[in-house]
Amino acid sequence: DSGVTQTPKHLITATGQRVTLRCSPRSGDLSVYWYQQSLDQGLQFLIQYYNGEERAKGNILERFSAQQFPDLHSELNLSSLELGDSALYFCASSPTDTVGELFFGEGSRLTVL
Amino acid sequence: SQQGEEDPQALSIQEGENATMNCSYKTSINNLQWYRQNSGRGLVHLILIRSNEREKHSGRLRVTLDTSKKSSSLLITASRAADTASYFCATASNTVSWGNLIFGKGTKLSVKP
Repeated sequence: DSGVTQTPKHLITATGQRVTLRCSPRSGDLSVYWYQQSLDQGLQFLIQYYNGEERAKGNILERFSAQQFPDLHSELNLSSLELGDSALYFCASSPTDTVGELFFGEGSRLTVL
Repeated sequence: SQQGEEDPQALSIQEGENATMNCSYKTSINNLQWYRQNSGRGLVHLILIRSNEREKHSGRLRVTLDTSKKSSSLLITASRAADTASYFCATASNTVSWGNLIFGKGTKLSVKP
């Protein structure tokens, strides 16, 4: 158990809909990272937050947004969903904003029908 | 986009044999990490090697890093059926102190009992 909690574990929705994925980092970790894993693209970095502020941005679509709240949990919002958004979405956390070991949650599997 | 590229994409061995996976990357790094992922689960950190290190051991794992060739290898000795998983290398850039890990597409290891 990494100590990182992600909900929901599974989500099935229709094209055009909007979903919110939630992540609680390990106790004491200030950085949260979001990754998308799909069969064709592999693991793609989406975005990093550190202590409530956006710190780094990767291949995140404009339809996607994220935030980190004062209690350090984070949410990833995916809107106007398309079939190609079906993937595993991972949250990871680390104590600082520098890139050392990341602790991953078990992921949220999104299926868009 | 992927920074690390693992080789081979898939590897099948018998229990007790050694497994070697290779990773090549493109740009200068601060550190390189190896992660393991059981099917559909979260990634688990195995080992981190810094750019000024050449070799590191952890239990049955041995990692080498050759920054002149921009390559790393992960050796798992005396493999067990429980080692069956996908293994990813991930690199952290040295151009910024924060940011993200960029993952390769992984090597799928199958260890037959």
